[in-house]
Amino acid sequence: DAGVIQSPRHEVTEMGQEVTLRCKPISGHNSLFWYRQTMMRGLELLIYFNNNVPIDDSGMPEDRFSAKMPNASFSTLKIQPSEPRDSAVYFCASSLVGSYNEQFFGPGTRLTVL
Amino acid sequence: GQQLNQSPQSMFIQEGEDVSMNCTSSSIFNTWLWYKQEPGEGPVLLIALYKAGELTSNGRLTAQFGITRKDSFLNISASIPSDVGIYFCAGLGTGGTSYGKLTFGQGTILTVHP
Repeated sequence: DAGVIQSPRHEVTEMGQEVTLRCKPISGHNSLFWYRQTMMRGLELLIYFNNNVPIDDSGMPEDRFSAKMPNASFSTLKIQPSEPRDSAVYFCASSLVGSYNEQFFGPGTRLTVL
Repeated sequence: GQQLNQSPQSMFIQEGEDVSMNCTSSSIFNTWLWYKQEPGEGPVLLIALYKAGELTSNGRLTAQFGITRKDSFLNISASIPSDVGIYFCAGLGTGGTSYGKLTFGQGTILTVHP
């Protein structure tokens, strides 16, 4: 069975460019989470959706960050414009609504902003 | 906000030794989770704890949910080289603004020498 799929796995871009990260959750899962991992701050929850609806976006750092979930099988995290301090590994995770203890993580996207 | 303090930050051990790491929180959690992350991958759930005082095993791994609900530990017995990775504790929020949100510890980097 396919797990959570993220693309791209690696992204290198220049400051000021728009970056779009993509996630396909596990089929049947209806909660989706975006996390960011850095050495300084560890793993942080950015936003999560239930049934394609954003529930909590209090972890989104700035207005430059936006996330969408147009359907049950796809979500994007967009950074516009990107800055060097956005460099991190971004993880997507999915679970069933209410089973937040059973989140399955994707392999992550390593973002480098020059 | 909620914070988890995980220790030690890193461990260098010989194959066959036992390992112990712990996590303390400034807040109460009703669910404690332990994850392992290997290079280039997302965290993978190892053990979930749901009741204060609960002791749960998964093979060579044993974890306990502290009585105060503010701490947890993870033990690995008879370590092997494939135990190498970063181990994270996480508390699952169950109420108010923390509902459904995982708060992660800083991680323990485990190195096992053959």
